[in-house]
Amino acid sequence: DTGVSQDPRHKITKRGQNVTFRCDPISEHNRLYWYRQTLGQGPEFLTYFQNEAQLEKSRLLSDRFSAERPKGSFSTLEIQRTEQGDSAMYLCASTPTWDRYGYTFGSGTRLTVV
Amino acid sequence: AQSVTQLDSQVPVFEEAPVELRCNYSSSVSVYLFWYVQYPNQGLQLLLKYLSGSTLVKGINGFEAEFNKSQTSFHLRKPSVHISDTAEYFCAVSEFDNNDMRFGAGTRLTVKP
Repeated sequence: DTGVSQDPRHKITKRGQNVTFRCDPISEHNRLYWYRQTLGQGPEFLTYFQNEAQLEKSRLLSDRFSAERPKGSFSTLEIQRTEQGDSAMYLCASTPTWDRYGYTFGSGTRLTVV
Repeated sequence: AQSVTQLDSQVPVFEEAPVELRCNYSSSVSVYLFWYVQYPNQGLQLLLKYLSGSTLVKGINGFEAEFNKSQTSFHLRKPSVHISDTAEYFCAVSEFDNNDMRFGAGTRLTVKP
């Protein structure tokens, strides 16, 4: 297992377009998290899945954002009608059941909205 | 709700010198504390964590941190830094039984030769 994979690494999109990011967690990890990191700031929590169930969403996750984790494996984060303020690094992390604080982060997807 | 303050946004230091990166937290309940390192264009890597037990926690790459409940602090230290320690360091807190982690704004450590 090579860790948490995120795709793409970089995405440049025009304002108003939709984008989708993918995260493949470590295979035995049942918990999956999405965080957003803007320049000069620490990561901010967006949402959390336990298996396929989305159990928590931050108020940062506006109705333009949607996340899924079908079958409890990979997850997707979609942003509709992108705005320049959505430009950020989107980080995915996963943890196993037996170590809920043992976060393994992916390398992130850097989104630039022009 | 928990919050984290990293008191220094940038810390320049010469190679082989000691360093301390400061972190204070705020919470009304029991917390778990973490330090992460982030190299450019990479994700976060866990350096160390405090969940319970000894307040002095040793981590990877020679780093250690001390949990001080009375001062609500969790400062990160290394007795002798290397050029390769140049990176962004994040302190994070999670309240007991919470599902998310709150990060500080980060401290940019620059090690100069």
